[in-house]
Amino acid sequence: GAGVSQSPRYKVAKRGQDVALRCDPISGHVSLFWYQQALGQGPEFLTYFQNEAQLDKSGLPSDRFFAERPEGSVSTLKIQRTQQEDSAVYLCASSRGEVLNTEAFFGQGTRLTVV
Amino acid sequence: AQKITQTQPGMFVQEKEAVTLDCTYDTSDPSYGLFWYKQPSSGEMIFLIYQGSYDQQNATEGRYSLNFQKARKSANLVISASQLGDSAMYFCAMREKKAAGNKLTFGGGTRVLVKP
Repeated sequence: GAGVSQSPRYKVAKRGQDVALRCDPISGHVSLFWYQQALGQGPEFLTYFQNEAQLDKSGLPSDRFFAERPEGSVSTLKIQRTQQEDSAVYLCASSRGEVLNTEAFFGQGTRLTVV
Repeated sequence: AQKITQTQPGMFVQEKEAVTLDCTYDTSDPSYGLFWYKQPSSGEMIFLIYQGSYDQQNATEGRYSLNFQKARKSANLVISASQLGDSAMYFCAMREKKAAGNKLTFGGGTRVLVKP
């Protein structure tokens, strides 16, 4: 595809339910990032992959959050036992590499609502 | 400490006028890049403009220009000749060379509403 694709666009989960959010980055992009964006705020970094290697997971808020990118392309962010504070938009971004001026391309996000 | 600070939560601007969005940053890394993104109500983050820490000239991209004052650690975005389609959230972000993968750190954003 031409851009970063995320699915589903919207997800409503009951508290305690597990969810999986998918990100299809731009083909050939080495770097992949996940961000969490609460309503009215800027995106907050969650985790970073270089190909299939998860090099930084310092932003994951708890051990209920888990991300993978097993073949270095598609990535999945999994949230176990969802809680209301997990309600947010989850943004995925990809870029060609790690050069400073490399543009990060963002998907449209998955809006997660935990009820 | 906040790495990126955007002090204007919201702004109104008259169509065809210019608007300046403030951004200050904090880093000890001599190599960094500053980005501005636009986020319309549809949700996607749209890249607008980039300024590198070693760039001698202020960046410009069409109607967007960046007023980069390195000593003050500020990188304000100027939108000239505002259009109705400019109504959106605007985020300033920084990438530090020392950060793994050069992850972007975002400010809290400024909401711009262009009035006809």
